[in-house]
Amino acid sequence: AQKITQTQPGMFVQEKEAVTLDCTYDTSDQSYGLFWYKQPSSGEMIFLIYQGSYDEQNATEGRYSLNFQKARKSANLVISASQLGDSAMYFCAMRELRAGTALIFGKGTTLSVSS
Amino acid sequence: DAGVTQSPTHLIKTRGQQVTLRCSPKSGHDTVSWYQQALGQGPQFIFQYYEEEERQRGNFPDRFSGHQFPNYSSELNVNALLLGDSALYLCASRTGVEGYTFGSGTRLTVV
Repeated sequence: AQKITQTQPGMFVQEKEAVTLDCTYDTSDQSYGLFWYKQPSSGEMIFLIYQGSYDEQNATEGRYSLNFQKARKSANLVISASQLGDSAMYFCAMRELRAGTALIFGKGTTLSVSS
Repeated sequence: DAGVTQSPTHLIKTRGQQVTLRCSPKSGHDTVSWYQQALGQGPQFIFQYYEEEERQRGNFPDRFSGHQFPNYSSELNVNALLLGDSALYLCASRTGVEGYTFGSGTRLTVV
């Protein structure tokens, strides 16, 4: 079974609009962390935001917020006020603390922002 | 402050050959992980090095091996290259409870 599922292969949004990228995860661990990374065409994975399984508040980092719904096992990324530079591939990833430090990635969502 | 540096950026090899990829971690980071990202897919964990030893390994054959040096830099070696080894190879470093910092990767093409 897929540990990280990103169901949206591609998303299209206009500048200044908000967009939500979906991510669901599957784990039996109680302690885990969820990450979102941005990958532009250059290839570098850029860290955006992190949510720990015990964090009660949704994580926020500038224009990025993580809508964490533990019971539904979802960790959606919300980007407010999209910019042209947000066009990239976005990956959701999970680290199961019991399994070590490896990150498990989803297949990604391509976000295209138009003017 | 330099982030994670990988070399070379691009590489073309022939089936059956061997390749070595290199990674210099972010300053202060002592743990290095390697990931393989096939075209259109998310990265897959290959292995992690800490204190010059392989600490964790993903589902990759023994053709994939690595090394970590005393200055924390690392190498990824792949023997007997297959066409399916063509991918972007990403190195990530971290220390303690910090998050992972990734490099820009090495694009390996096997022909």
